[in-house]
Amino acid sequence: DVKVTQSSRYLVKRTGEKVFLECVQDMDHENMFWYRQDPGLGLRLIYFSYDVKMKEKGDIPEGYSVSREKKERFSLILESASTNQTSMYLCASSAGQPNTEAFFGQGTRLTVV
Amino acid sequence: GESVGLHLPTLSVQEGDNSIINCAYSNSASDYFIWYKQESGKGPQFIIDIRSNMDKRQGQRVTVLLNKTVKHLSLQIAATQPGDSAVYFCAENMWGYSTLTFGKGTMLLVSP
Repeated sequence: DVKVTQSSRYLVKRTGEKVFLECVQDMDHENMFWYRQDPGLGLRLIYFSYDVKMKEKGDIPEGYSVSREKKERFSLILESASTNQTSMYLCASSAGQPNTEAFFGQGTRLTVV
Repeated sequence: GESVGLHLPTLSVQEGDNSIINCAYSNSASDYFIWYKQESGKGPQFIIDIRSNMDKRQGQRVTVLLNKTVKHLSLQIAATQPGDSAVYFCAENMWGYSTLTFGKGTMLLVSP
């Protein structure tokens, strides 16, 4: 069974903390993505990576950075967490060829207080 | 439960009815489309996809229809069951691009 695993289901962090969200996929996929999901706004792309050490900004990269040191792992970093980053964060991966579906992790509900 | 369903269009049906969920996509250059299902507390799951050279594709109890003229996608669920209750998203992709663009979603509520 293919899997995208996010390290935490729920996180509570304080304003100003540096936060790491980890994601691992076991499908040898080239592409990995981080989305945030908010009521009424749907899924918005933060960053994606199409290869190790490669990254591209998505629609809302401000306040975030990413790291992809190994093919199977993609980390989202909140440099200094703020309350407006309270959200559901979803990691996904897809194969490198065009027109293939993305597989999602179970999500991390982050609350910044 | 998760709050992802707030502010969403909602379709309420009775168990056994057929459901139709609609999606208007934005980019006329998109050539690949997916429907995802998201249950409360879970990540989105792939349901069915369709490429732009087709106008209909069927799966088990689900059918996707694509109308490129009006940039419209629909998901039909036959004999809807309580387990189908979820938020449904359409997503579009352009050839050569890795990323999917998602719609806002529709909540489907199925009453026994």
